[in-house]
Amino acid sequence: KQEVTQIPAALSVPEGENLVLNCSFTDSAIYNLQWFRQDPGKGLTSLLLIQSSQREQTSGRLNASLDKSSGRSTLYIAASQPGDSATYLCAVKETSGSRLTFGEGTQLTVNP
Amino acid sequence: NAGVTQTPKFQVLKTGQSMTLQCAQDMNHEYMSWYRQDPGMGLRLIHYSVGAGITDQGEVPNGYNVSRSTTEDFPLRLLSAAPSQTSVYFCASSYSISSGVGGETQYFGPGTRLLVL
Repeated sequence: KQEVTQIPAALSVPEGENLVLNCSFTDSAIYNLQWFRQDPGKGLTSLLLIQSSQREQTSGRLNASLDKSSGRSTLYIAASQPGDSATYLCAVKETSGSRLTFGEGTQLTVNP
Repeated sequence: NAGVTQTPKFQVLKTGQSMTLQCAQDMNHEYMSWYRQDPGMGLRLIHYSVGAGITDQGEVPNGYNVSRSTTEDFPLRLLSAAPSQTSVYFCASSYSISSGVGGETQYFGPGTRLLVL
């Protein structure tokens, strides 16, 4: 059974810092991996999707990398801003089906 | 586009009551799914559908029914609510696996907060 782990569970940084969020998964046979953002009391917003054949994806200040063989993905946030404060979740889609398996998320606080 | 919409936003039920959580999307997505989010458990898949008339069970289907009569709508029914079903419920949609690169980005609704007393 696929398991997704995100470390750390919570992170607090000063504004302007570059930071890395980690995601690990136990079964490397994945179809794709997505990073989401969730604001308090809100739904999930997709940030980046990496196909299993890709190594990284970039969108603005966000860069996500994927190392399937080691079962790891990282989300790099450059020059963090207070507006980046949210919970960040990663999810993997298994090759054989349509389900997403989610990690529990990293709660990020960027202090002004 | 309204994206994925869910109603109601919040609901309180008594044990044993039934209700339907509504989900609709206007993006012509084939794939729709229901998740519940609980502290310490993350998001767990309840049921999903790969197209109209086709549904399947996810990780935690017990106590829930779904149907998919149209591409747009995917309601979730609680047959006899239990306190263990207190949770936040999210509906999501995406294009199908066969639609190619980028087509599988999942779009989530704003959620329904359910409290079962």
